[in-house]
Amino acid sequence: EIMMTQSPATLSVSPGERATLSCRASQNIRTNLAWYQQKPGQAPSLLIYTASKRATGVPARFSGSGSGAEFTLTISSLQPEDLAVYFCQQYHDWPPYTFGQGTKLEIK
Amino acid sequence: QVQLVESGGGLVKPGGSLRLSCTGSGFSLSDHYVSWIRQVPGKGLEWISYISSSGTTIYYADSVKGRFTISRDNANNSVSLQMNSLRLEDAALYYCAREVPWARWFDLWGQGSLVTVSS
Repeated sequence: EIMMTQSPATLSVSPGERATLSCRASQNIRTNLAWYQQKPGQAPSLLIYTASKRATGVPARFSGSGSGAEFTLTISSLQPEDLAVYFCQQYHDWPPYTFGQGTKLEIK
Repeated sequence: QVQLVESGGGLVKPGGSLRLSCTGSGFSLSDHYVSWIRQVPGKGLEWISYISSSGTTIYYADSVKGRFTISRDNANNSVSLQMNSLRLEDAALYYCAREVPWARWFDLWGQGSLVTVSS
């Protein structure tokens, strides 16, 4: 089973600043990675797939990068509505699909 | 409106059973693979089961294998999760999520159905 590790657990960023979230896989997963955003009280929603492709309707301030075992989700200019927990998911070797434990993004 | 709606959650005693349903609207669920994913409130996401569009391929996480059964009724645009021999650690919010075929990521999630296991 591939383990996914996200860091930091909590990130506090001021509006308009850049937020950088990390996700590390326990082995090479190429670009078989997705990112999800879970706002308070809501279900997760797809942000990024194939490590860097934005899902339909996702604002351009969200970008994904990385390959192999190291991945990054960047929010270029943080907005108040970006308050959420962000999860990464690998689909390189499944079952099982595995998720990171999440990064909680706080607005400073 | 394109959405997934779960139902069937509730309070059950350890050892009891519960059946969750996931119904698609605004699209044909039969064109999609579907997974169940659970989340203890405030915690992470755990994938627990998958069913292919035809229902011929099914997978389970080790944590639920032998206790949970996934099935689908494409005529009624629905997927079900039969949960037997429930344990305290099965208490969670259960989401159904669809995959675009061959995509392997989840592009649509339901709002979740809460399962509470308590004596």
